[in-house]
Amino acid sequence: GQSLEQPSEVTAVEGAIVQINCTYQTSGFYGLSWYQQHDGGAPTFLSYNALDGLEETGRFSSFLSRSDSYGYLLLQELQMKDSASYFCAVRDSSYKLIFGSGTRLLVRP
Amino acid sequence: KAGVTQTPRYLIKTRGQQVTLSCSPISGHRSVSWYQQTPGQGLQFLFEYFSETQRNKGNFPGRFSGRQFSNSRSEMNVSTLELGDSALYLCASSLDRVGEQFFGPGTRLTVL
Repeated sequence: GQSLEQPSEVTAVEGAIVQINCTYQTSGFYGLSWYQQHDGGAPTFLSYNALDGLEETGRFSSFLSRSDSYGYLLLQELQMKDSASYFCAVRDSSYKLIFGSGTRLLVRP
Repeated sequence: KAGVTQTPRYLIKTRGQQVTLSCSPISGHRSVSWYQQTPGQGLQFLFEYFSETQRNKGNFPGRFSGRQFSNSRSEMNVSTLELGDSALYLCASSLDRVGEQFFGPGTRLTVL
C-alpha cells in the first residue's frame, strides 16, 4: 500500500527552528510537496521538491532524499502564526496526490 | 485572479439523503481533485478530473461520484448519506495533472 509517515504533533517556542520529517512509500514518485492548513482554513501550498536537495523559500526550507524516501520541512524564526497543521504529499505514478496524516505544530511564546 | 470557489460552504443533511457539491476552479486550470477531510485525519483522495474525464479514483464506495464540465467546473455527488460522511470536502485545482494544487475553502457537510 501507499503511505506517508509524519509526526502527529510538534511543539516549539517562538523564534526557534523546527523540522518536520516525512517518509514515504508510494508506487511511483513525481515529487514531494508540503501544505499548511490553519484551523478552519484550506490547505495552502508551501513547497515542492522533485530532485534531491534543499529548496528555500523565505523562512521555510524543504529537503528531499529520493534514495531514502525521506524529506523534511524546516521552519526558521518561528512565529505564532506558524501554528497550524503541515502535510507532506507525494504524487504517485498515476499522478494522484497522496497526503500524510499531518503534523500539528504548536508555537509557544 | 479569483481563487477556487466551492458551494455551498455549509450543508446539513439527514441519513439517506443525497447531496451535490460544486467546485469552480481557477480560470485556466483543467485539473480538479476532490478530497475528504475528517477531524484529526489527513486528506483522503476521492477523485481527479482532467478535461472532463475521471483520471483517478480513491478508495471510496460507489455512493461517491463526480463529473467535470467543459468549463472545468466540477461537481461531486454523494447518495444515500451515512453519518460517517460528515466531513470537510475540499476541491483543488491545478493547471495540469502534475502542478501545484490550489484548494478551495471547502464544504462542511454534516449528516444527522
